[in-house]
Amino acid sequence: GAVVSQHPSRVICKSGTSVKIECRSLDFQATTMFWYRQFPKKSLMLMATSNEGSKATYEQGVEKDKFLINHASLTLSTLTVTSAHPEDSSFYICSARDLGQGASTGELFFGEGSRLTVL
Amino acid sequence: GESVGLHLPTLSVQEGDNSIINCAYSNSASDYFIWYKQESGKGPQFIIDIRSNMDKRQGQRVTVLLNKTVKHLSLQIAATQPGDSAVYFCAENPGEGSQGNLIFGKGTKLSVKP
Repeated sequence: GAVVSQHPSRVICKSGTSVKIECRSLDFQATTMFWYRQFPKKSLMLMATSNEGSKATYEQGVEKDKFLINHASLTLSTLTVTSAHPEDSSFYICSARDLGQGASTGELFFGEGSRLTVL
Repeated sequence: GESVGLHLPTLSVQEGDNSIINCAYSNSASDYFIWYKQESGKGPQFIIDIRSNMDKRQGQRVTVLLNKTVKHLSLQIAATQPGDSAVYFCAENPGEGSQGNLIFGKGTKLSVKP
């Protein structure tokens, strides 16, 4: 089946530094990828929709200058947490939909998540 | 805000029993629903989905029921096994106009006692 890969799976950084998380669709193309954030024992909250070749669409309350998203190709989207603070510590999960399955139907494939800890 | 919620935050069942996890949604325009299983420290894993033109769908040991009249979704797991222990999320696709993103419910933690 389709696979979405995230890297790194775990990252620890100091306050004030920036961290980049990659999301790759390994065996399919995705014009749209989604970034979610999950706090412990909480549900997934959509942060932004990443569109290949155009600007990302951010959900209300998500700072676009803090969470930079770049969707450079049909198989790669990156999320950069800039000037990270301890409150940014969270589990970040990306997902992608197979281009061939249409925009609003079909299975959404999730990555394994990236756990960010900001000291 | 969140439009999908769950009635039970935790569920404990005996191994071999059947499990039922419930979910309520509020967006009547949602046309596609999915159940995900999430193990600790991992991403969501697809279990089963159902479209709004159906009221029941069966998979291997799992059944999803959709009641659009009361906007209710349930996941039934037959002969629950220890490996089924995880957090289960329902998710809805908001339908026409969305880009295909999903809205997740709060999640139910399923614990299977041996």
